[in-house]
Formats: sequence, C-alpha cells, structure tokens
Amino acid sequence: DIQMTQSPSSVSASVGDRVTIACRASQGVSTWLAWYQQKPGKAPKLLIYAASSLQSGVPSRFSGSGSGTDFTLTINSLQPEDFATYYCQQTNRFPYTFGQGTKVEIK
Amino acid sequence: EVLLVESGGGLGQPGGSLRLSCAASGFTFSDYWMTWVRQAPGKGLEWVANINQHGSDKYYVDSVEGRFIISRDNANSTLYLHLDSLTAEDTAVYYCARNPQNFLTGNNWFDPWGQGTMVTVSS
Repeated sequence: DIQMTQSPSSVSASVGDRVTIACRASQGVSTWLAWYQQKPGKAPKLLIYAASSLQSGVPSRFSGSGSGTDFTLTINSLQPEDFATYYCQQTNRFPYTFGQGTKVEIK
Repeated sequence: EVLLVESGGGLGQPGGSLRLSCAASGFTFSDYWMTWVRQAPGKGLEWVANINQHGSDKYYVDSVEGRFIISRDNANSTLYLHLDSLTAEDTAVYYCARNPQNFLTGNNWFDPWGQGTMVTVSS
C-alpha cells in the first residue's frame, strides 16, 4: 500500500499568514494527488486535484504543487474560514490512501 | 445541483449487518465511478470501496474485503454499501462521493461528498 505522510500534523497561524502543508508518498504517484478541506462535523471538500488544479469555486489563495512523491498545499493570506483540517490523498493505485491530516488552528 | 444523500446508518450489533444507501441527483449517475469513505470518531479519512460505472469492477480496502459489498442501481441513481460481520472497528461516519476520472490520463478525485451517515457497532 502507498503510505501518505503529512507534515506538520498541526499548525497555529494567524489571519493573513501563509501556510504550507507537505505531503509525501511512500512511492511515486505521478500527479494523482488531491487535497481536501474538512471542517468539524462536515463532509470533506475538494480543493485541489491532479496535484495542482484548483477545483471550481475554490478561492485562488489555495494552490498545490508537486509530483512523484512530494507535494505541497499552500494557503496564501489565511482567512478565518480556512481554519480546518486538510488531507492529501493518492488515487494512483488501490487501495486509495489519505494522509493523516493537518489541523490548521488559530494562533 | 449535484447532491449525494446517504441513509441507512444506525446501531448495528457485532457480527450483524447493515445496508447503507446513497441517493444521487443532479448528474448522470451512470457516467461516474463512485466511492465510499469512512471516518472513525476523532480519526482521519479511510477509503473503503470503489465501483465503476457499470458495477463490474469493485475494489475494497483489505480491512473490509469479504465483509462489505459495494453495488449500484443506475436506473435509480443509488449507490449501496452492504456491511456484514460488523465489528467495533467499523464504527464510523460513512461518506459516499462521486469519483470523476480524467478520461485521457485516468487521474481521479472525489467530488462532491455526501453529508455522511453514522454507523455505530455495539451490543
């Protein structure tokens, strides 16, 4: 199975900060990588697909990069509604796997 | 509007069975792969199962292989997950999601997700 490891597990940040979340795959997944945002009690929401494509309706302060084994989600100018948990996911091969999540908290 | 609505969750007995449903609307259901993902209380996301457009290809995470069955009814735009031989480790919110595929590259992702249905396994 492909293991997905996110870092950090949590980050404290202020409104207006830039936040970067890393995701590493235990083997190459090309660009078959998605990022999701989840708020407490809610379903996950797709932010980025194919490693760097912004899902329709998602603010442009969110961006994704990387290929192979190393990926990054960047949130520029953090907004109050961005405090949530973020997950990366590989869909290159079954079983599809998620990272353990990164919680973005208010400093 | 694309909408997915899960139902069928509740309290299940250890060793028992449940069937979850996911009613889809707002898109041509038969054009898409579909998926189930679960989330145990306070834990992260775990992919559970996938099914192709025709129901002929199915994939499962090892921990549910042989106990869960994913299926679909394209005529009624409904996805199912039959859970059998339930254990406490199956306690989770179960989400269904559409699994769009890039036909050129095969790259795929989950969007949108339903609101989830809670399954609690306890005696």
